[in-house]
Amino acid sequence: DIVLTQTPLSSPVTLGQPASISCRSSQSLVHSDGNTYLSWLQQRPGQPPRLLIYTISNRFSGVPDRFSGSGAGTDFTLRINRVEAEDVGVYYCMQSTEFPLTFGGGTKVEI
Amino acid sequence: QVQLQQSGPGLVKPSETLSLTCTVSGGSISSSSSHWGWIRQPPGKGLEWIGTIYPSGTTHYNPSLKSRVTMSVDTSKNEFSLKLTSVTAADTAVFYCASGDIRFWGQGILVTVSS
Repeated sequence: DIVLTQTPLSSPVTLGQPASISCRSSQSLVHSDGNTYLSWLQQRPGQPPRLLIYTISNRFSGVPDRFSGSGAGTDFTLRINRVEAEDVGVYYCMQSTEFPLTFGGGTKVEI
Repeated sequence: QVQLQQSGPGLVKPSETLSLTCTVSGGSISSSSSHWGWIRQPPGKGLEWIGTIYPSGTTHYNPSLKSRVTMSVDTSKNEFSLKLTSVTAADTAVFYCASGDIRFWGQGILVTVSS
């Protein structure tokens, strides 16, 4: 199985300042079709997860442009340009390049 | 906009079978390239993929649960379902259904395994 390791586990942030989360994969996430199926999700307290970013860097509909994703191969990063209060929650990376699908352990973003 | 509505009991006895259903609205469960999945989250913990099902009935399951999981699709009702047998307290979790591309999620159901 592909293991996704997120760092840090917890990220105290200051409103208006940037934040970044790293996700490292135990093997390349490049699919045979050439795409890299690495996604980022946000889970606010008491809510279902919400897709933010898919295929490394594509923002899902309605996601603010302060969220961006980057990376390639086995190393990926989620960046929040200027943290807002509503960004508090746990962030997960997820790979869907191969079965079984796997998630990172999560990074808690708190003010 | 696709919406997913989950239904099923919130309490299951040990050794019994957990059964959940996810009804899709705003889109066809059989649309091209569609697939659907179940994910669970034990209280205070992270996300665990349970399995994925295609409208054809093809399934992929998490190896750690494969012996106990069955997923099915009912295209006439635009819904898909999860069965998890021989549950124990370790299966207590919030269960989510989601579109296979994880763009759309159900509201989640906390299923507690307890006598």
